[in-house]
Amino acid sequence: NAGVTQTPKFQVLKTGQSMTLQCAQDMNHEYMSWYRQDPGMGLRLIHYSVGAGITDQGEVPNGYNVSRSTTEDFPLRLLSAAPSQTSVYFCASSYDQGGYEQYFGPGTRLTVT
Amino acid sequence: AQTVTQSQPEMSVQEAETVTLSCTYDTSESDYYLFWYKQPPSRQMILVIRQEAYKQQNATENRFSVNFQKAAKSFSLKISDSQLGDAAMYFCAYRSANTGNQFYFGTGTSLTVIP
Repeated sequence: NAGVTQTPKFQVLKTGQSMTLQCAQDMNHEYMSWYRQDPGMGLRLIHYSVGAGITDQGEVPNGYNVSRSTTEDFPLRLLSAAPSQTSVYFCASSYDQGGYEQYFGPGTRLTVT
Repeated sequence: AQTVTQSQPEMSVQEAETVTLSCTYDTSESDYYLFWYKQPPSRQMILVIRQEAYKQQNATENRFSVNFQKAAKSFSLKISDSQLGDAAMYFCAYRSANTGNQFYFGTGTSLTVIP
């Protein structure tokens, strides 16, 4: 199993550009999520999904869109990048039951200039 | 929403010594799960230990153990015989036992191990 994969690992964008961060998992997990990690702020939830066709907002959803057309994939779209979106982004997945841990991807370091 | 608080932004420990990282959480639920994750400089998040709220016995994984105090809503992580490889950011996390519920993370504690 590859686990949770994310691409790209690094990205530099100019303000106003759009892009999609890719996330895929091969563990048949129902639950998938996107976090951003900023110094001193821990992991903040952007969006999450409990199955194909079902998504919901987390703590910091503004400026981001998601969709879940398959169990495996959960892309995160930045609509119009802003410097405030400079961060490290993590995708994670788990079974949709409380006791199971989340498995994390390796992260994407995004810089918006 | 539940909140998870890690009040120690930074901690340090001498190699081979013991250190305890604190975590408190706020919830009105009785059934939930608690986790400690480790994030080394490689950035990869790794599960260290998990605790079920319905279990009174504290979880243990080799040199890592927890002190789970349900009434006090406290979930501290004890690292015994600290090693250089334990240097990392540690995150405490909460998840409800209900399905479809998100994970809530603390802000993390940065642990330095002094040789």
